Amino acid sequence: SAVISQKPSRDICQRGTSLTIQCQVDSQVTMMFWYRQQPGQSLTLIATANQGSEATYESGFVIDKFPISRPNLTFSTLTVSNMSPEDSSIYLCSVCSAGWWNEQFFGPGTRLTVL
Amino acid sequence: AQSVSQHNHHVILSEAASLELGCNYSYGGTVNLFWYVQYPGQHLQLLLKYFSGDPLVKGIKGFEAEFIKSKFSFNLRKPSVQWSDTAEYFCAVGDGRAGNMLTFGGGTRLMVKP
Repeated sequence: SAVISQKPSRDICQRGTSLTIQCQVDSQVTMMFWYRQQPGQSLTLIATANQGSEATYESGFVIDKFPISRPNLTFSTLTVSNMSPEDSSIYLCSVCSAGWWNEQFFGPGTRLTVL
Repeated sequence: AQSVSQHNHHVILSEAASLELGCNYSYGGTVNLFWYVQYPGQHLQLLLKYFSGDPLVKGIKGFEAEFIKSKFSFNLRKPSVQWSDTAEYFCAVGDGRAGNMLTFGGGTRLMVKP
């Protein structure tokens, strides 16, 4: 298993600003993912954070809006750019290693409110 | 693309009642199946998982799930719920061809009345 921390745990932001969310894992992992959980809804995969290369985005999500970095095997950031109230969600980081075949472990999430 | 359906969005039970939450998926190939739970104010935790072998899998806290390939189902069960089982439950399916990515169902919010 893995212990995952996210910063900040919550934030309230103004429309048009950007917020960067950090995800830190206590061990090296193969894959890191970013999900969004909108109020009352399920989890939607935003992208896979690839170490040393550009993230792989799911349909409906673009790099300009959600730039992602992954400088090493234990850390990733997700930026929510030019925010609008529709971006109010919980953003979750998850990780998976080759030996855990499909089993993902989730961070505590970042609750974002955009005014 | 895969889809995962959870039929019950909200379930209310009294303590000691039996629980069954439905989960169906669309993909016809080899799948890995998961149930996650999110207790109020806490992060997602894995309840149980199925990769291969015995289709009846047991998880934590007395939960179990049965994989029925012919029905594309992976229903979650517990014979006697407790108030502490109040939480949101998510079914997720991993398609090995797509690496480790999961598709989640819409979730079922369970409330257990004491």
